[in-house]
Amino acid sequence: ETGVTQTPRHLVMGMTNKKSLKCEQHLGHNAMYWYKQSAKKPLELMFVYSLEERVENNSVPSRFSPECPNSSHLFLHLHTLQPEDSALYLCASSQERDNTGELFFGEGSRLTVL
Amino acid sequence: GESVGLHLPTLSVQEGDNSIINCAYSNSASDYFIWYKQESGKGPQFIIDIRSNMDKRQGQRVTVLLNKTVKHLSLQIAATQPGDSAVYFCAEIGADGLTFGKGTHLIIQP
Repeated sequence: ETGVTQTPRHLVMGMTNKKSLKCEQHLGHNAMYWYKQSAKKPLELMFVYSLEERVENNSVPSRFSPECPNSSHLFLHLHTLQPEDSALYLCASSQERDNTGELFFGEGSRLTVL
Repeated sequence: GESVGLHLPTLSVQEGDNSIINCAYSNSASDYFIWYKQESGKGPQFIIDIRSNMDKRQGQRVTVLLNKTVKHLSLQIAATQPGDSAVYFCAEIGADGLTFGKGTHLIIQP
């Protein structure tokens, strides 16, 4: 049973829609992450938050906007997306943002952009 | 940039046989490696890790081998079961943080 919960599990949206993905972790971790998983590609790190402060943004287009209101919750706000943004979006958490610890992943939000 | 990769996108094995999944890495400065398992419709799950000061680590039915000379990492699964069917990723941690490979899809034949 995962300690990281993502909603919704599936989302279909048009290119002009605005939607949000939500992630909640119940592990007491201090770091949270958004990853993008596309077919036949490695996991791509999008955003990292440590103690609610963004510490890394891997040149992600501005149509993706993260929000971390507290150390347990992470959002990814989506607007004017493109079909190539269709992918599985994974949230993860770790005890600290020190690059040595295990990541705990949620089950992902499968996004389809029409 | 340097990357972590896997030799085969798909590996098919008979149920009960041993499975070996391979991963080549290119950053010789990486000091920590992890194997993740991702079942269909789920997020990746930690299986086993190994630090660069070790060459072998065993878990329950799984063994990770690290060969720093040729920069090669492997995951061995003993007596493969249907529940082992998944995509397996290696990941390395170095100066650039955590980098994932593309994954090998392990298919179990009955």
